[in-house]
Amino acid sequence: DADVTQTPRNRITKTGKRIMLECSQTKGHDRMYWYRQDPGLGLQLIYYSFDVKDINKGEISDGYSVSRQAQAKFSLSLESAIPNQTALYFCATSDFSVFPGTGYRTGELFFGEGSRLTVL
Amino acid sequence: RKEVEQDPGPFNVPEGATVAFNCTYSNSASQSFFWYRQDCRKEPKLLMSVYSSGNEDGRFTAQLNRASQYISLLIRDSKLSDSATYLCVVNMLSAGGTSYGKLTFGQGTILTVHP
Repeated sequence: DADVTQTPRNRITKTGKRIMLECSQTKGHDRMYWYRQDPGLGLQLIYYSFDVKDINKGEISDGYSVSRQAQAKFSLSLESAIPNQTALYFCATSDFSVFPGTGYRTGELFFGEGSRLTVL
Repeated sequence: RKEVEQDPGPFNVPEGATVAFNCTYSNSASQSFFWYRQDCRKEPKLLMSVYSSGNEDGRFTAQLNRASQYISLLIRDSKLSDSATYLCVVNMLSAGGTSYGKLTFGQGTILTVHP
């Protein structure tokens, strides 16, 4: 079984509908992320969470919300979907390293298989 | 200027060729660097980390030039299975607290290896 599982894998919806993408992980990592990928633009960070009580906006959070229901679960919601939110969405987890005196460094990202969302 | 820039390619090379990709980053405070590989319609996976002056893993060599703010990935003896998109990722170390080191992705470089 995959360490990071996303559901649904594919979804077609209409403008104005509410959509939730779910992510669960068995890595035991505290850090979880939601990314969006568009052709030619790389991955853009939507939201990230360091633990169940810590949620932060990323680069492109407008139009999205998230919920960290447990250490292992992090869901992304589109309250009112619009066509330019058509994209491939990835959930990811990571651990991190602590460098005394200098701070934190995020470790390797482990991605789910992606959720392809089409908004008509 | 984008924070992390890559030549999108595509790079089309024959089997056995040597190919190199470059990636430039704009933030001089960036502390760690990675190359991820992404197969078509799949999730990205870590290929190599680049922490100091560079490192080698089999046919793959990653180099870091802090003065010029770029990293490179060299693939020797290319295989058909090397065909993928290669993503450059840069991590800026955060200063204390619980804020994370920001991970910024380049747009990816497409490599196609043909027989």
